[in-house]
Amino acid sequence: DVKVTQSSRYLVKRTGEKVFLECVQDMDHENMFWYRQDPGLGLRLIYFSYDVKMKEKGDIPEGYSVSREKKERFSLILESASTNQTSMYLCATMKEGGNYNEQFFGPGTRLTVL
Amino acid sequence: GESVGLHLPTLSVQEGDNSIINCAYSNSASDYFIWYKQESGKGPQFIIDIRSNMDKRQGQRVTVLLNKTVKHLSLQIAATQPGDSAVYFCAEKEGGGGTSYGKLTFGQGTILTVHP
Repeated sequence: DVKVTQSSRYLVKRTGEKVFLECVQDMDHENMFWYRQDPGLGLRLIYFSYDVKMKEKGDIPEGYSVSREKKERFSLILESASTNQTSMYLCATMKEGGNYNEQFFGPGTRLTVL
Repeated sequence: GESVGLHLPTLSVQEGDNSIINCAYSNSASDYFIWYKQESGKGPQFIIDIRSNMDKRQGQRVTVLLNKTVKHLSLQIAATQPGDSAVYFCAEKEGGGGTSYGKLTFGQGTILTVHP
């Protein structure tokens, strides 16, 4: 069974703080993704990574950065959190060459920025 | 069906009824579609997919119908159970079938509530 874990289920931060969201997977998948999910907008891709130290911008990378130092871990960083980054953040993984029907999501981190 | 806005469409059904959830997609070049189920406090879970060379695909208690002419996708759940209560949303992908080459575009979702 694929396990995708996210470091926190709920997080409350203040405007201007640096925020780290961690995602860890145990299936040796090459691809990892960070999405945010907002009411009325669905899931939107922030960044993805297809290998260690490799990253690609998604649709809404502004205000975010990522780090992939190890294959199993993909971190999303908010350098200076803002209230419009209050959202549900979802991590997902997929093996190289895999299909989206084999993309597995973590439980999500609900971030509130005050 | 799904629409842009802050409030998700909702569907309430009685246990045992059949449910139909609709999705209008936007890109006529999309050739691969997925339905997801997201329960409260959990990440999305894959339910069923369909490629554009098909108009119907069946799984266990679920059927997806694709009408490319009007760019419409539907998910039918037979004999709906309380455990089916969740948010359901569709996703479309342009080109390359279901592989990781090409990004998914997600709908906003429909809340399904099943009453015992």
